[in-house]
Amino acid sequence: SQTIHQWPATLVQPVGSPLSLECTVEGTSNPNLYWYRQAAGRGLQLLFYSVGIGQISSEVPQNLSASRPQDRQFILSSKKLLLSDSGFYLCAWSFRDRGHEQYFGPGTRLTVT
Amino acid sequence: QKEVEQDPGPLSVPEGAIVSLNCTYSNSAFQYFMWYRQYSRKGPELLMYTYSSGNKEDGRFTAQVDKSSKYISLFIRDSQPSDSATYLCAMSAKNGGATNKLIFGTGTLLAVQP
Repeated sequence: SQTIHQWPATLVQPVGSPLSLECTVEGTSNPNLYWYRQAAGRGLQLLFYSVGIGQISSEVPQNLSASRPQDRQFILSSKKLLLSDSGFYLCAWSFRDRGHEQYFGPGTRLTVT
Repeated sequence: QKEVEQDPGPLSVPEGAIVSLNCTYSNSAFQYFMWYRQYSRKGPELLMYTYSSGNKEDGRFTAQVDKSSKYISLFIRDSQPSDSATYLCAMSAKNGGATNKLIFGTGTLLAVQP
């Protein structure tokens, strides 16, 4: 069976500091990978998705970036955090041809102070 | 107008009640309809999905899609306190591949009282 991990679980960072969130998937190969942000009362917003190593598509222009250095590893980064970057960040995966079935990780709660 | 509308609740029901959760949408191109359950401070869990119109049943859960009305429902029979969570609907327009962008509702908070 497949498992998705995210870390850290919680993070408190000052404005202007860098960010690196990591997501890994076990038990499958060549997954599609996704980064979402969930803000209170606003649902889930797709930030990035990836269909393979080094292939990143951005959905929302912002000061965040994503990378996929390995098949089952997805990283969300920022060089300088803004207050508005606070939120609950979720990584998800799907099988290559079943993008409607997305499975989420436990999430990282980020507070920018 | 949002593409997907969902009543935020909260919805409070007694244990054993039948729960009805609903979403409406505006994009007639949506083909896949998903329901997720999210416990507090956890990631969403995929409960079930339906393709096009019709019903789908899984244990105590039934998903229903009415494309003519652009309306989907999730029914929970014999509700339990452990069903207390936020329920998110999500929809997708494309068939297969990572470009299946999921559009989420904002979620309905359900509380099942023992």
